[in-house]
Amino acid sequence: AQSVSQHNHHVILSEAASLELGCNYSYGGTVNLFWYVQYPGQHLQLLLKYFSGDPLVKGIKGFEAEFIKSKFSFNLRKPSVQWSDTAEYFCAVEGGNQFYFGTGTSLTVIP
Amino acid sequence: EAQVTQNPRYLITVTGKKLTVTCSQNMNHEYMSWYRQDPGLGLRQIYYSMNVEVTDKGDVPEGYKVSRKEKRNFPLILESPSPNQTSLYFCASSPRGPTNEKLFFGSGTQLSVL
Repeated sequence: AQSVSQHNHHVILSEAASLELGCNYSYGGTVNLFWYVQYPGQHLQLLLKYFSGDPLVKGIKGFEAEFIKSKFSFNLRKPSVQWSDTAEYFCAVEGGNQFYFGTGTSLTVIP
Repeated sequence: EAQVTQNPRYLITVTGKKLTVTCSQNMNHEYMSWYRQDPGLGLRQIYYSMNVEVTDKGDVPEGYKVSRKEKRNFPLILESPSPNQTSLYFCASSPRGPTNEKLFFGSGTQLSVL
């Protein structure tokens, strides 16, 4: 069965710390990969996406993610987080016209 | 402004009382879908539609119905709501289907079934 695993449920960081959120998926075919962000009280927004080509993709607000096919992973990174990055982050995999979302990681950045 | 509009934002109802959550997009998107978001479970797809009059079950379709009579509208129908359908629901759309396209999300509908 298709699944998406996010290893960190809650992450608390100080401003300027580096961030890495793990995402692993299981899917038998070709996939497209996404990270979405949900700021408090808002709907989900796309951070970045990978369809093909360079496995290191850059998104908005300084976020990037690396697709490692051999590890079925698509980890999200940011070198220096800000208080405004406090949000919930969802990894998603698209395959066969369906999206599969991870359970989300709640990030709190302390000023 | 391009957007996905859901109504209502908040809804409290009782078990068994039929309800409809509306979803409308003004971007002429072909693909629309419904998700529910639950703590610890993330987002799970309920139903999706590739185009008018074409709907398919997602991962958790039990207890829900949808229709796609017009391109812009994709209502979610709960014929006989139960407390386990208390959740935060999101509608989403994309131009031609999820492949190679990002999803545009509505603001969500918080449903409580008593």
